[in-house]
Amino acid sequence: SQKIEQNSEALNIQEGKTATLTCNYTNYSPAYLQWYRQDPGRGPVFLLLIRENEKEKRKERLKVTFDTTLKQSLFHITASQPADSATYLCALSSYTGRRALTFGSGTRLQVQP
Amino acid sequence: GAGVSQTPSNKVTEKGKYVELRCDPISGHTALYWYRQSLGQGPEFLIYFQGTGAADDSGLPNDRFFAVRPEGSVSTLKIQRTERGDSAVYLCASSLTSPGSDLTGANVLTFGAGSRLTVL
Repeated sequence: SQKIEQNSEALNIQEGKTATLTCNYTNYSPAYLQWYRQDPGRGPVFLLLIRENEKEKRKERLKVTFDTTLKQSLFHITASQPADSATYLCALSSYTGRRALTFGSGTRLQVQP
Repeated sequence: GAGVSQTPSNKVTEKGKYVELRCDPISGHTALYWYRQSLGQGPEFLIYFQGTGAADDSGLPNDRFFAVRPEGSVSTLKIQRTERGDSAVYLCASSLTSPGSDLTGANVLTFGAGSRLTVL
């Protein structure tokens, strides 16, 4: 069966460090992968999109990598700030089967001042 | 509108009752999605519309759940004979393009704040 796995344990890091979040998937032929941020009581907000033929994408302090051989995406936040504390969700759209985004369960990031 | 609007923000109902949740998407967005999110989980896909028609309703858990989008803008998610297990946050999202129709553009979802449903 298709699975998207994110670390369910919260990630705690110190301000200024780089946060790295992992998204692994199985039994998908992804067309693209997206990362969203979700704050408590709010809907997810889009951050970055990376296509299957792209290795890396950057936006300000954010960087996403996509390895279709390892079936993994890494999401990095450099120079992290307490305001980056939130839950981060990865989501896949597939060429086959369901085209609408399927989300992972998210990883909560806590940046300590 | 400027964003995706969902009403009500909170709904408390009793087991067995009928519930309607409304979503007003961003003007001009052709695709509209409903997701359900339980505590500590990611959004779970329910259904998406392309225009007025349901393009994929494979995520609806059973026939107590139904959604409509009669004029291609506002959508209503309807839940009959609610059960305690239906308690969750129901998220609506819209996108400019529909998934698969423009892979080079790809669809980025804009979500509403959600409707929290509690079934007692």
